[in-house]
Amino acid sequence: NAGVTQTPKFQVLKTGQSMTLQCAQDMNHNSMYWYRQDPGMGLRLIYYSASEGTTDKGEVPNGYNVSRLNKREFSLRLESAAPSQTSVYFCASSPPDSGNTIYFGEGSWLTVV
Amino acid sequence: GQSLEQPSEVTAVEGAIVQINCTYQTSGFYGLSWYQQHDGGAPTFLSYNALDGLEETGRFSSFLSRSDSYGYLLLQELQMKDSASYFCAVRDQGGSYIPTFGRGTSLIVHP
Repeated sequence: NAGVTQTPKFQVLKTGQSMTLQCAQDMNHNSMYWYRQDPGMGLRLIYYSASEGTTDKGEVPNGYNVSRLNKREFSLRLESAAPSQTSVYFCASSPPDSGNTIYFGEGSWLTVV
Repeated sequence: GQSLEQPSEVTAVEGAIVQINCTYQTSGFYGLSWYQQHDGGAPTFLSYNALDGLEETGRFSSFLSRSDSYGYLLLQELQMKDSASYFCAVRDQGGSYIPTFGRGTSLIVHP
């Protein structure tokens, strides 16, 4: 049961470098999300995609871009990493009419130095 | 906009009962859910309340009062493995399903 798979799990970047976090789900879900989690701040939505071909900004989109490549894949790109983007990133997905049930990936620990 | 309030930390002893409260302010409401997250792990879904009342799932129960914009998660017969962070979440009123999470409650269970 793969569920939501995200890579890499750990990454260290230098300020100004770029990178892409990959996410794929095998549950045929329409909606996908990227959250970041910082100590004491809970989970904050960066971007989401309600369906293939659509993306929308969440609460904290600055410094990020996303691509919904197909129904399975939703990637998050940092064009020019900053120390403030040091965080744990979670990809998630949900089926239609699921109530509030969403399924998270295992997380990606990103450090920007 | 939406906001959720929950205590930052709760402590209890093994075998006890603990209640984690959540109050919310939303422009629209489509249900309150709870997630558990162990250190270093991913959040996992625990329960969902769309209507007023109590939902029970084993040792965990969740309650909702829509008139009071309030809910809680009740954990009974606490075990050490219940030490984790617990998040309440509400769904945005928008056409897409967009959950907004509270800041989380760290539950520490002592022997």
